Amino acid sequence: DAGVTQSPTHLIKTRGQQVTLRCSPKSGHDTVSWYQQALGQGPQFIFQYYEEEERQRGNFPDRFSGHQFPNYSSELNVNALLLGDSALYLCASSRTRNEQYFGPGTRLTVT
Amino acid sequence: GQQVMQIPQYQHVQEGEDFTTYCNSSTTLSNIQWYKQRPGGHPVFLIQLVKSGEVKKQKRLTFQFGEAKKNSSLHITATQTTDVGTYFCAERSGTYKYIFGTGTRLKVLA
Repeated sequence: DAGVTQSPTHLIKTRGQQVTLRCSPKSGHDTVSWYQQALGQGPQFIFQYYEEEERQRGNFPDRFSGHQFPNYSSELNVNALLLGDSALYLCASSRTRNEQYFGPGTRLTVT
Repeated sequence: GQQVMQIPQYQHVQEGEDFTTYCNSSTTLSNIQWYKQRPGGHPVFLIQLVKSGEVKKQKRLTFQFGEAKKNSSLHITATQTTDVGTYFCAERSGTYKYIFGTGTRLKVLA
Protein backbone atom coordinates (compact mmCIF):
# COMPACT_ATOMS: atom_id res chain seq x y z
CA ASP A 1 0.00 0.00 0.00
CA ALA A 2 1.73 3.15 -1.22
CA GLY A 3 1.76 6.10 1.11
CA VAL A 4 1.49 9.71 0.05
CA THR A 5 3.74 10.54 -2.87
CA GLN A 6 4.87 13.95 -4.07
CA SER A 7 6.75 15.17 -7.10
CA PRO A 8 9.20 16.57 -7.77
CA THR A 9 11.40 16.15 -4.68
CA HIS A 10 13.41 19.27 -5.36
CA LEU A 11 12.86 22.29 -7.57
CA ILE A 12 14.76 25.48 -8.28
CA LYS A 13 12.90 28.42 -9.81
CA THR A 14 13.54 32.07 -10.48
CA ARG A 15 11.55 34.96 -9.03
CA GLY A 16 8.44 35.67 -11.06
CA GLN A 17 8.13 32.16 -12.44
CA GLN A 18 5.30 29.76 -11.83
CA VAL A 19 5.49 26.27 -10.30
CA THR A 20 3.22 23.22 -10.09
CA LEU A 21 3.66 20.60 -7.40
CA ARG A 22 1.90 17.25 -7.42
CA CYS A 23 0.57 14.91 -4.77
CA SER A 24 -1.00 11.45 -4.80
CA PRO A 25 -2.83 10.58 -1.58
CA LYS A 26 -2.64 7.36 0.36
CA SER A 27 -4.94 4.67 -0.95
CA GLY A 28 -8.44 5.10 0.44
CA HIS A 29 -7.98 8.76 1.33
CA ASP A 30 -10.19 11.37 -0.28
CA THR A 31 -8.94 14.58 1.33
CA VAL A 32 -5.72 16.41 0.51
CA SER A 33 -4.25 19.32 2.44
CA TRP A 34 -1.24 21.38 1.44
CA TYR A 35 1.22 22.93 3.88
CA GLN A 36 4.22 25.22 3.58
CA GLN A 37 7.07 24.62 6.01
CA ALA A 38 9.82 27.21 6.23
CA LEU A 39 13.12 26.17 7.73
CA GLY A 40 12.90 25.74 11.49
CA GLN A 41 9.16 26.34 11.65
CA GLY A 42 6.02 24.28 11.84
CA PRO A 43 3.90 23.51 8.78
CA GLN A 44 1.53 26.32 7.76
CA PHE A 45 -1.85 25.31 6.32
CA ILE A 46 -2.36 26.53 2.74
CA PHE A 47 -5.67 24.86 1.82
CA GLN A 48 -7.59 21.60 1.78
CA TYR A 49 -9.34 19.83 -1.09
CA TYR A 50 -12.23 17.41 -0.87
CA GLU A 51 -14.46 16.21 -3.71
CA GLU A 52 -12.49 18.39 -6.11
CA GLU A 53 -13.39 21.56 -4.20
CA GLU A 54 -11.28 23.82 -1.99
CA ARG A 55 -13.12 23.69 1.33
CA GLN A 56 -10.86 25.67 3.62
CA ARG A 57 -7.98 28.05 3.07
CA GLY A 58 -5.23 29.42 5.26
CA ASN A 59 -3.68 32.89 5.19
CA PHE A 60 -2.04 32.61 1.80
CA PRO A 61 -2.44 35.00 -1.16
CA ASP A 62 -4.30 34.15 -4.34
CA ARG A 63 -0.96 33.37 -5.99
CA PHE A 64 -1.40 30.00 -4.34
CA SER A 65 -4.04 27.89 -6.02
CA GLY A 66 -4.80 24.23 -6.27
CA HIS A 67 -6.79 21.51 -7.87
CA GLN A 68 -8.01 18.06 -7.00
CA PHE A 69 -8.70 15.45 -9.64
CA PRO A 70 -11.38 12.73 -9.68
CA ASN A 71 -8.77 10.16 -8.57
CA TYR A 72 -8.14 12.39 -5.47
CA SER A 73 -4.65 13.43 -6.55
CA SER A 74 -3.91 17.11 -6.23
CA GLU A 75 -1.77 19.93 -7.56
CA LEU A 76 -0.51 23.07 -5.91
CA ASN A 77 0.25 26.01 -8.18
CA VAL A 78 2.19 29.07 -7.15
CA ASN A 79 2.38 32.07 -9.50
CA ALA A 80 4.75 35.02 -9.52
CA LEU A 81 7.22 33.33 -7.21
CA LEU A 82 8.90 35.37 -4.49
CA LEU A 83 12.11 34.61 -2.62
CA GLY A 84 9.98 34.10 0.48
CA ASP A 85 8.16 31.19 -1.18
CA SER A 86 11.29 29.07 -0.72
CA ALA A 87 10.21 26.27 1.61
CA LEU A 88 9.31 22.62 1.94
CA TYR A 89 5.82 22.04 0.54
CA LEU A 90 4.03 19.15 2.18
CA CYS A 91 0.97 17.33 1.06
CA ALA A 92 -1.11 15.45 3.62
CA SER A 93 -3.95 13.06 2.94
CA SER A 94 -6.67 11.89 5.26
CA ARG A 95 -10.15 10.44 5.50
CA THR A 96 -12.70 12.63 7.27
CA ARG A 97 -10.98 14.63 10.04
CA ASN A 98 -8.70 11.89 11.31
CA GLU A 99 -4.94 11.68 11.30
CA GLN A 100 -3.08 13.20 8.40
CA TYR A 101 -0.48 11.23 6.49
CA PHE A 102 2.23 13.46 5.09
CA GLY A 103 4.22 12.94 1.94
CA PRO A 104 8.00 13.44 1.76
CA GLY A 105 7.54 16.99 0.49
CA THR A 106 8.89 19.10 -2.36
CA ARG A 107 11.79 21.38 -1.52
CA LEU A 108 11.30 24.60 -3.53
CA THR A 109 14.14 27.09 -3.84
CA VAL A 110 13.44 30.46 -5.43
CA THR A 111 16.47 32.43 -6.59
CA GLY B 1 1.42 32.91 10.36
CA GLN B 2 -0.87 31.68 13.09
CA GLN B 3 0.82 29.12 15.36
CA VAL B 4 0.32 27.36 18.63
CA MET B 5 2.89 27.94 21.37
CA GLN B 6 5.04 25.03 22.39
CA ILE B 7 7.67 24.97 25.09
CA PRO B 8 10.52 24.45 25.25
CA GLN B 9 11.78 25.38 21.79
CA TYR B 10 14.84 23.15 22.18
CA GLN B 11 15.76 20.37 24.60
CA HIS B 12 19.02 18.49 24.86
CA VAL B 13 18.93 15.42 27.10
CA GLN B 14 21.28 12.59 27.95
CA GLU B 15 20.13 9.23 26.68
CA GLY B 16 17.98 7.65 29.37
CA GLU B 17 16.64 10.93 30.73
CA ASP B 18 13.00 11.91 30.44
CA PHE B 19 11.64 14.61 28.13
CA THR B 20 8.43 16.63 28.13
CA THR B 21 7.03 19.15 25.67
CA TYR B 22 4.00 21.33 26.33
CA CYS B 23 1.47 22.82 23.97
CA ASN B 24 -0.66 25.77 25.07
CA SER B 25 -3.61 27.44 23.42
CA SER B 26 -5.61 30.52 24.36
CA THR B 27 -8.81 28.86 23.22
CA THR B 28 -10.61 25.65 24.10
CA LEU B 29 -9.57 22.94 21.67
CA SER B 30 -11.88 20.46 20.01
CA ASN B 31 -9.00 18.02 19.65
CA ILE B 32 -5.23 17.98 19.41
CA GLN B 33 -2.83 15.92 17.35
CA TRP B 34 0.85 15.19 17.89
CA TYR B 35 3.42 14.64 15.16
CA LYS B 36 7.12 13.78 15.04
CA GLN B 37 9.43 15.03 12.31
CA ARG B 38 12.90 13.52 12.03
CA PRO B 39 15.69 15.76 10.67
CA GLY B 40 15.26 16.00 6.91
CA GLY B 41 11.97 14.10 7.06
CA HIS B 42 8.27 14.82 7.08
CA PRO B 43 5.78 14.96 9.97
CA VAL B 44 4.53 11.56 11.09
CA PHE B 45 1.26 11.30 12.99
CA LEU B 46 1.61 10.00 16.56
CA ILE B 47 -1.79 10.42 18.21
CA GLN B 48 -5.03 12.37 18.46
CA LEU B 49 -6.60 13.41 21.77
CA VAL B 50 -10.24 14.40 21.97
CA LYS B 51 -11.58 14.10 25.51
CA SER B 52 -10.94 16.42 28.45
CA GLY B 53 -8.27 14.96 30.74
CA GLU B 54 -7.51 12.17 28.29
CA VAL B 55 -4.24 10.26 28.77
CA LYS B 56 -2.89 7.89 26.13
CA LYS B 57 0.28 5.84 26.14
CA GLN B 58 2.38 4.44 23.32
CA LYS B 59 5.28 2.45 24.80
CA ARG B 60 7.56 5.13 26.32
CA LEU B 61 5.39 8.04 25.11
CA THR B 62 2.58 9.47 27.25
CA PHE B 63 0.18 12.04 25.84
CA GLN B 64 -2.13 14.15 27.96
CA PHE B 65 -4.97 16.54 27.19
CA GLY B 66 -5.73 19.16 29.83
CA GLU B 67 -8.94 19.15 31.81
CA ALA B 68 -9.93 22.50 30.30
CA LYS B 69 -8.82 21.32 26.83
CA LYS B 70 -6.51 24.30 26.47
CA ASN B 71 -3.20 22.50 26.79
CA SER B 72 -1.54 19.21 26.07
CA SER B 73 1.74 17.49 26.81
CA LEU B 74 3.94 14.74 25.43
CA HIS B 75 6.25 12.94 27.84
CA ILE B 76 8.95 10.50 26.77
CA THR B 77 10.37 8.20 29.43
CA ALA B 78 14.01 7.10 29.19
CA THR B 79 14.83 8.78 25.87
CA GLN B 80 16.73 6.91 23.18
CA THR B 81 18.73 8.24 20.23
CA THR B 82 15.84 7.20 17.98
CA ASP B 83 13.66 9.82 19.69
CA VAL B 84 15.66 12.63 18.06
CA GLY B 85 13.51 15.01 16.03
CA THR B 86 11.02 17.85 16.31
CA TYR B 87 7.70 17.23 18.03
CA PHE B 88 4.71 19.26 16.92
CA CYS B 89 1.26 19.59 18.32
CA ALA B 90 -1.52 20.59 15.94
CA GLU B 91 -4.89 22.02 16.86
CA ARG B 92 -7.96 22.15 14.68
CA SER B 93 -9.08 25.63 13.72
CA GLY B 94 -12.48 25.79 12.15
CA THR B 95 -13.80 22.66 10.53
CA TYR B 96 -10.84 21.38 8.54
CA LYS B 97 -7.76 23.54 9.14
CA TYR B 98 -4.99 22.42 11.46
CA ILE B 99 -2.62 24.90 13.06
CA PHE B 100 0.74 23.45 13.97
CA GLY B 101 2.70 24.44 17.01
CA THR B 102 6.12 26.01 16.93
CA GLY B 103 7.65 22.64 17.70
CA THR B 104 10.14 21.34 20.25
CA ARG B 105 13.42 20.13 18.85
CA LEU B 106 14.79 17.20 20.86
CA LYS B 107 18.43 16.19 20.77
CA VAL B 108 19.50 13.07 22.63
CA LEU B 109 23.14 12.77 23.63
CA ALA B 110 24.47 9.22 23.77
